[in-house]
Amino acid sequence: AQTVTQSQPEMSVQEAETVTLSCTYDTSENNYYLFWYKQPPSRQMILVIRQEAYKQQNATENRFSVNFQKAAKSFSLKISDSQLGDTAMYFCAFMMYNNNDMRFGAGTRLTVKP
Amino acid sequence: NAGVTQTPKFRILKIGQSMTLQCTQDMNHNYMYWYRQDPGMGLKLIYYSVGAGITDKGEVPNGYNVSRSTTEDFPLRLELAAPSQTSVYFCASTMAPGQGSGAGELFFGEGSRLTVL
Repeated sequence: AQTVTQSQPEMSVQEAETVTLSCTYDTSENNYYLFWYKQPPSRQMILVIRQEAYKQQNATENRFSVNFQKAAKSFSLKISDSQLGDTAMYFCAFMMYNNNDMRFGAGTRLTVKP
Repeated sequence: NAGVTQTPKFRILKIGQSMTLQCTQDMNHNYMYWYRQDPGMGLKLIYYSVGAGITDKGEVPNGYNVSRSTTEDFPLRLELAAPSQTSVYFCASTMAPGQGSGAGELFFGEGSRLTVL
């Protein structure tokens, strides 16, 4: 089964600065999806960004962008112009295209400081 | 839109009791999932289903059972509750790959906090 590793249990960043969260994964498959989810204190899981493995272009969503390195099996999330509302747990997730179990990393707790 | 609805939101069980967590979605999603999240930890996959009548084990299925008799409903049953099952449980659903541009995006319920004493 595929595994997802987030090596940074906690990170902090000053408001308005940029932070990068790391994620690596292990798979022998070629077609899959990668995701970053955000879980604020409210506990609700919110999709931040989504990347399909066959697309070479890195996904972006406003202040959020990814650095997808398929050969290295790396999928980092960059948050630009950090805002206080970005404080949350961030989870990296992996789903194979022809399978259906979605696996999550252990999460990174991000704190944005004023 | 209701999305994914889980009940109950909170429950306290005694060791050895059984209960069912209900999950229903109104988005006609084929794929449904049950995860558990222990304090300060990530999500662990318990069971998942690709459609009515089909279920599969995830990472941590022991102590749980599921059924999928309809597309909408995916209940999770805890048999003989143990303190190790104290956790927050999330139900989620998504479209299957190839069904649309949103395939793989999980829609989550609000979670069910279960305490076993």
